[in-house]
This record gives sequence, structure tokens and C-alpha cells, in this order.
Amino acid sequence: EDQVTQSPEALRLQEGESSSLNCSYTVSGLRGLFWYRQDPGKGPEFLFTLYSAGEEKEKERLKATLTKKESFLHITAPKPEDSATYLCAVNTDKLIFGTGTRLQVFP
Amino acid sequence: DAGITQSPRHKVTETGTPVTLRCHQTENHRYMYWYRQDPGHGLRLIHYSYGVKDTDKGEVSDGYSVSRSKTEDFLLTLESATSSQTSVYFCAISEFAENTEAFFGQGTRLTVV
Repeated sequence: EDQVTQSPEALRLQEGESSSLNCSYTVSGLRGLFWYRQDPGKGPEFLFTLYSAGEEKEKERLKATLTKKESFLHITAPKPEDSATYLCAVNTDKLIFGTGTRLQVFP
Repeated sequence: DAGITQSPRHKVTETGTPVTLRCHQTENHRYMYWYRQDPGHGLRLIHYSYGVKDTDKGEVSDGYSVSRSKTEDFLLTLESATSSQTSVYFCAISEFAENTEAFFGQGTRLTVV
């Protein structure tokens, strides 16, 4: 069965303390992996698409990487405005979402 | 922001009543989706559309129907609402092939009492 697991469920960081979020997957045929950011009471906001192992994408303090089994979202020197839930989704013949990592960055 | 508007944003309804949620897009994207989001489950696909009058079921389609009579509008109907359908519903659109990156609306919080 296709499955997507995100860890940790929640993460508290001090401003400037870099860390990584994990998205591990077991799927029969990966056509792409997506990262989204979701703020409370809002819809997910698209961040990145990764298609093949070894691929990397960057946007401001965020960097997403992909291997054959997992993806990491690295957050460098986070700020309080980076606080949100980060979702990953894998595309097989359908889009399967993980349950997200709730990130809190405090001053 | 992608031009996606969901209405209503909040609704409380009684068990057994029909409910229709609307998604309107101004991007002229071919693909439209309805998801529900529940704690511990992530986003789950209810139905999707790949063109006017072309729709298909997702993983949690029981108790829901959809219609798409125009490119810009995708309606989700709960035929007879139940408490298990209390959720936050999101509409999404994508331009290219099915399941490429999707852009989401702001969501509709539905409570069935």
C-alpha cells in the first residue's frame, strides 16, 4: 500500500536554529513529490516539486531534497514567520498527502 | 495567489440535509479537486474533474457527488449530511496533467450537527 509518513509531528525551534523535516514514502511509482506550507485557517500553499532522486530546490530559507525513499525540508536560520504546518505529498497515480509537521519558531 | 474562491467559508447544517459547496476559479485550469482535511488523516481526495462534465471518484467519495458544468465552477454536494462529514473541505486546481502541483483555495469549514 502506498504510504507517506512525515516526522516529527511537531517541532519547536528557536529563531536561527536550523533543522530538517522528514517525509518518507513507500509508493509503487513516484511521479513527483510536493511540499506545501499551511497556515492556520488557510489552504496549503505550494512550495516545491521534486521529480528525481538527487534533485534539490531552494526558496529563501527552505531547501528541499529528494532520495529514493525520502525527502527532507531543510530550514536554515528560521524566523517566527516560518511557523506553519508543512505538508508533503507524493504523486503516484493519485496524490497522497502526509499528515504534516507543525513547526513553531519562537524568538 | 491562484484565483480560487470557495463558498461558503463556514457552514453549520443538520444531519440529513443536503449541502452544496462551491469552488470558483479564474485561472482557466483544466483540473479541479475536492479534498477533505481531518486531524490525523491529512488531505484526502473526494472527487476530481479533468474537464467540463468529466469527473471521477477519489479515495473517500461515498456520500458525496460533484458536478462541473463550466470550466470555472466545481460543486461538491453532500447528499444527506452526516456527522462524519464534519471537516474542512478544500478545493484545488492544477493546470497540466492530473496530479501535478495543485493550488488550493482557502477552505470551507463544515459542521454537521
